[in-house]
Amino acid sequence: AQKITQTQPGMFVQEKEAVTLDCTYDTSDPSYGLFWYKQPSSGEMIFLIYQGSYDQQNATEGRYSLNFQKARKSANLVISASQLGDSAMYFCAMRTYGGSQGNLIFGKGTKLSVKP
Amino acid sequence: DAEITQSPRHKITETGRQVTLACHQTWNHNNMFWYRQDLGHGLRLIHYSYGVQDTNKGEVSDGYSVSRSNTEDLPLTLESAASSQTSVYFCASSGQTVETQYFGPGTRLLVL
Repeated sequence: AQKITQTQPGMFVQEKEAVTLDCTYDTSDPSYGLFWYKQPSSGEMIFLIYQGSYDQQNATEGRYSLNFQKARKSANLVISASQLGDSAMYFCAMRTYGGSQGNLIFGKGTKLSVKP
Repeated sequence: DAEITQSPRHKITETGRQVTLACHQTWNHNNMFWYRQDLGHGLRLIHYSYGVQDTNKGEVSDGYSVSRSNTEDLPLTLESAASSQTSVYFCASSGQTVETQYFGPGTRLLVL
């Protein structure tokens, strides 16, 4: 069965420090994509970063990077130099290319709080 | 700029009533999706569509229906609202070759 697991319900980080949000996934499909979304208290879902299963290098987008370890089936989000505005819920999601093409499966999220 | 909008943003209704939530996107995306978000469950897929006249059931489709008569819109209908359908509903869209799904602002629905 396809599944996304985020084991950290909540995390704290000091402003300007780096933080890693964990995500593990389970799928038998060889082709898949991994996504991270941010949901601030205002409620919208904001796309952050994408990693394809065949991508050789870890994805990066500004202060966000995805630490992709295929053998371990992990796709951790690393936020460098945390800012107060990074306080939000973060969701890891997976899309597979099998029968449910295009559909995202979400983890339950991690609430990140950045302390000044 | 292209965007995806949802209306209404907030809705209160009574059990047994039919409710329709609108979703409109100007990205010209083929793929559109409806999710519900509940505490402890993250986002769960209700229905999805890969193009005009195409609709498919997701993980939690019971009590919901959709129709796709054009590229831009995918309305979600609750046939007979139940208190268990109190939730935040998100619409999303993605292109044929673009991997990323872009989300609307969400609709908060309260069923009394």
